[in-house]
Amino acid sequence: DIQMTQSPSTLSASVGDRVTITCRASQSISSWLAWYQQKPGKAPKLLIYKASSLESGVPSRFSGSGSGTEFTLTISSLQPDDFATYYCQQYNSDSSWTFGQGTKVEIK
Amino acid sequence: EVQLVESGGGLVQPGGSLRLSCAASGFTVSSNYMSWVRQAPGKGLEWVSVFYSGGSTYYADSVKGRFTISRDNSKNTLYLQMNSLRAEDTAVYYCARVGYYDYVWGSFNYWGQGTLVTVSS
Repeated sequence: DIQMTQSPSTLSASVGDRVTITCRASQSISSWLAWYQQKPGKAPKLLIYKASSLESGVPSRFSGSGSGTEFTLTISSLQPDDFATYYCQQYNSDSSWTFGQGTKVEIK
Repeated sequence: EVQLVESGGGLVQPGGSLRLSCAASGFTVSSNYMSWVRQAPGKGLEWVSVFYSGGSTYYADSVKGRFTISRDNSKNTLYLQMNSLRAEDTAVYYCARVGYYDYVWGSFNYWGQGTLVTVSS
């Protein structure tokens, strides 16, 4: 099974900061990676698919990059609405999906 | 507008059974890949099962042999039958639609609000 490892687990940042979250796959997944944002008590929301494609309606301050085993989610200028937990997810494996353990973005 | 509404969660004893439902609107369940994802209290997301448009079904190892995913095309509804429940199955269960981007089924682009399943004596 493909394992996904995110870092850091928690990130403290201020409004306006540039924030980067890393996701590492245990084997190559090409570009079959998605990023989600989840707020407490709410369902996850798709931000990025295919490593770098922005889902419709998602602000352009969110961007994704990477391929193979190393991926990053960048928020160019952190906004108050962005404090949340972020998950990566691989969909390279046939008939199996795996999430990273999550990165909580907190107010500094 | 796409909507997914889960129901059927609740408190059940270890070894018991429960059936979750996910009523869809705004699209046709049978034409899409549909999945269940769960989240234990204070924990991360775990993929549980998927139902392909062609009828194939797949499960995470943690639920294989105990959970069954199904759909009712006439009701445009997805189900998850959960048997032999364990304490570690306690979680919020989300229904999600698998998106089709660039000719590949992959990320989950629509989610329901979730339904809580608690397994406890």
